[in-house]
Amino acid sequence: DAGVTQSPTHLIKTRGQQVTLRCSPKSGHDTVSWYQQALGQGPQFIFQYYEEEERQRGNFPDRFSGHQFPNYSSELNVNALLLGDSALYLCASRYHDRPYQPQHFGDGTRLSIL
Amino acid sequence: AQSVAQPEDQVNVAEGNPLTVKCTYSVSGNPYLFWYVQYPNRGLQFLLKYITGDNLVKGSYGFEAEFNKSQTSFHLKKPSALVSDSALYFCAVRDPGGGNKLTFGTGTQLKVEL
Repeated sequence: DAGVTQSPTHLIKTRGQQVTLRCSPKSGHDTVSWYQQALGQGPQFIFQYYEEEERQRGNFPDRFSGHQFPNYSSELNVNALLLGDSALYLCASRYHDRPYQPQHFGDGTRLSIL
Repeated sequence: AQSVAQPEDQVNVAEGNPLTVKCTYSVSGNPYLFWYVQYPNRGLQFLLKYITGDNLVKGSYGFEAEFNKSQTSFHLKKPSALVSDSALYFCAVRDPGGGNKLTFGTGTQLKVEL
């Protein structure tokens, strides 16, 4: 039973570019959330997707957008990259109908902006 | 808005000794609290949660946590530390409105020495 998988594991971009990160949730999970973890910080909630719609959003600018596909997998897109976007991006999943169960996290994508 | 504080950046303990990693929270309504652990270059791994019920919660790998409503604390404990417990520990509180958002503390680095 595969857990949450994310790709790529590492990525290097330059300022102003755009990036797409991908996430496959744990088998059976239908709700996906994205988090940004800057160096030395705790993860910060970006947004959550369920039934292919953004359901909840944290305090991130519109440069951060996402998508969820019918198979529950998800993408995170970041436009006009800034140096401050350098971070570990984590995807988490759970069953929508089991809100008290913990979210399962992937190993993340390490994004470096030059 | 909810918040979590982890007052210690680092905790050092000798192997075999008990350990405590501190966490205090602020949230409107009933708190849903979690502890996660992060090993280098990995995602977050769930340890335990408090939703309701007994104030002493038992989790994975011999860890437990004590919920104290009057002190708004949720300290992580283990009776006998192992070198392999050395990692970064995060306390988190879930959005009480039923959403998916987890608000994390800044993390505590646990170092267990021989």
